[in-house]
Amino acid sequence: DSGVTQTPKHLITATGQRVTLRCSPRSGDLSVYWYQQSLDQGLQFLIQYYNGEERAKGNILERFSAQQFPDLHSELNLSSLELGDSALYFCASSVSPGPYEQYFGPGTRLTVT
Amino acid sequence: AQSVTQLDSQVPVFEEAPVELRCNYSSSVSVYLFWYVQYPNQGLQLLLKYLSGSTLVKGINGFEAEFNKSQTSFHLRKPSVHISDTAEYFCAVDVQGAQKLVFGQGTRLTINP
Repeated sequence: DSGVTQTPKHLITATGQRVTLRCSPRSGDLSVYWYQQSLDQGLQFLIQYYNGEERAKGNILERFSAQQFPDLHSELNLSSLELGDSALYFCASSVSPGPYEQYFGPGTRLTVT
Repeated sequence: AQSVTQLDSQVPVFEEAPVELRCNYSSSVSVYLFWYVQYPNQGLQLLLKYLSGSTLVKGINGFEAEFNKSQTSFHLRKPSVHISDTAEYFCAVDVQGAQKLVFGQGTRLTINP
């Protein structure tokens, strides 16, 4: 158990819908990262937050957005969902930005039908 | 842009045999290098990392990796594998200051009895 929690574990929704994925980092970690894992694209970095502020952005679509709240939990919002958005979404946390170990949560499996 | 290539998508080996999982990266600046393992239906777990110093890095579960700057490689090795090592292994690079991990496509290690 990494100490990072993600909810829900599974999510099935229809095209065009909007969903919110939630992540709680390990106690004491200020940095949160979001990754998408799919068969086509592999494991791709989406976005990083540190203490509530966006610090780095990767291949995140404009239909996707994220935020980190004062209690340090983070939410990833996915809207206008398409079939290709079906993937495993991981959240990771680290003590701060930099070459520190990132602790990964168990992931949220999103299926868009 | 930096990239990571894992040269083998699947590696089958017999139990107690040695294994090497290959990873090459491309970057014109200094990088930090990581190997993560993903067991079935779980998130990623850090095996080891190279930040600086000795080019031979030892990690958990008996794994080690060697950083070779001239060959831009970071191959993962274990002298004797166990059934419990069956998993997917990901090599990742963090370009200094980028604050995000770029992952390879993964290598599925299958251990046969």
